[in-house]
Amino acid sequence: SYELTQPPSVSVSPGQTARITCSGDALPKQYAYWYQQKPGQAPVLVIYKDSERPSGIPERFSGSSSGTTVTLTISGVQAEDEADYYCQSADSSGTVVFGGGTKLTVL
Amino acid sequence: QVQLVESGGGLVKPGGSLRLSCAASGFTFSDYYMSWIRQAPGKGLEWVSYISSSGSTIYYADSVKGRFTISRDNAKNSLYLQMNSLRAEDTAVYYCARDISGYVFWGQGTLVTVSS
Repeated sequence: SYELTQPPSVSVSPGQTARITCSGDALPKQYAYWYQQKPGQAPVLVIYKDSERPSGIPERFSGSSSGTTVTLTISGVQAEDEADYYCQSADSSGTVVFGGGTKLTVL
Repeated sequence: QVQLVESGGGLVKPGGSLRLSCAASGFTFSDYYMSWIRQAPGKGLEWVSYISSSGSTIYYADSVKGRFTISRDNAKNSLYLQMNSLRAEDTAVYYCARDISGYVFWGQGTLVTVSS
């Protein structure tokens, strides 16, 4: 079955830039989406279609794509950005897949 | 405003059944694909199933295929998930979400616990 691979954890100091990667063979052909999830809450979409930002999401969140890897970048990380982040995409058969998630720690 | 409210979760024994519901409001339900996504305690998100706006197209994750059935009633603005032959590994918070991908709108989730 199709898989998306994320690093389990990323740590950054406040004000620095955090980069979270997501790798998958179908990513050159399928859009990727990114979600932020804080404890006890439903996920929140922060990036759609690889690099688009929904309204209400701070500009410090951005997305990019290169080959089989997509990257969520958080510039000028703030304490409130500490959360789990998940990438999501689909395979050619129509099934949806989530990455395993990355825990972002703000030191 | 868009609201999705799940219900029907609870404690069930292995091999048992449960039916989850998701009541939708604030948008034209019959125009949208709908999805179920789950999250086991302390684990990541797992897509479960989606259904097209008319109900004619349905997909399932391999982990639930043959045991779970997704359905919808557009007249009642409701989405359902019939879960049979439940296993311990089905224990999770189950979310309904609008659309097939890029989920902007999520419910608050309903907890399903499969245990003897």
